[in-house]
Amino acid sequence: SQQGEEDPQALSIQEGENATMNCSYKTSINNLQWYRQNSGRGLVHLILIRSNEREKHSGRLRVTLDTSKKSSSLLITASRAADTASYFCATDAGDSNYQLIWGAGTKLIIKP
Amino acid sequence: GAVVSQHPSRVICKSGTSVKIECRSLDFQATTMFWYRQFPKKSLMLMATSNEGSKATYEQGVEKDKFLINHASLTLSTLTVTSAHPEDSSFYICSARARAQETQYFGPGTRLLVL
Repeated sequence: SQQGEEDPQALSIQEGENATMNCSYKTSINNLQWYRQNSGRGLVHLILIRSNEREKHSGRLRVTLDTSKKSSSLLITASRAADTASYFCATDAGDSNYQLIWGAGTKLIIKP
Repeated sequence: GAVVSQHPSRVICKSGTSVKIECRSLDFQATTMFWYRQFPKKSLMLMATSNEGSKATYEQGVEKDKFLINHASLTLSTLTVTSAHPEDSSFYICSARARAQETQYFGPGTRLLVL
């Protein structure tokens, strides 16, 4: 089932620029995760941020979480052509299986 | 990092036949595996959740008799699409997680085309 909404649906920027994607969700969460999917491939886990965290960094990635607004953002700094992919946020459903509820995704295109 | 494989990566079959897709966790024990379906340019749609040694839990609207899921070991789950029809053509992705771990590790996906 889909809970998250991501915006923009598509984003096209020049290489070297920063890319920001947003994700909103509807219910309380334990954590929020960001994944990346290259065309026609599986998903790769990028970063997990817990509900008691506000910001997290991993390399060129910066994730923020605002639980009061039920939103998160993913910032990719100094983008590269290889960052071209779809990016999905997912929130855990809080069940024993750690089932994830997925956003619609943002298609990011980095122009060389 | 954790590696999940899927086989086959691509399959073409005739309408009415059955297709089995395997999902394996290569370097960890997957207590839970998830099967997703993804339509072009869309997000993932969870089909079912399976715990090792238990029957799979199917999402609403997913026919359990059509999409048979077996999770007989801690490293292998299979999805069998029975009596496939052209509308079953899609990209099927599995993911796996270890016990008490929140992160899911994804297989590379299987593209199914039913003629």
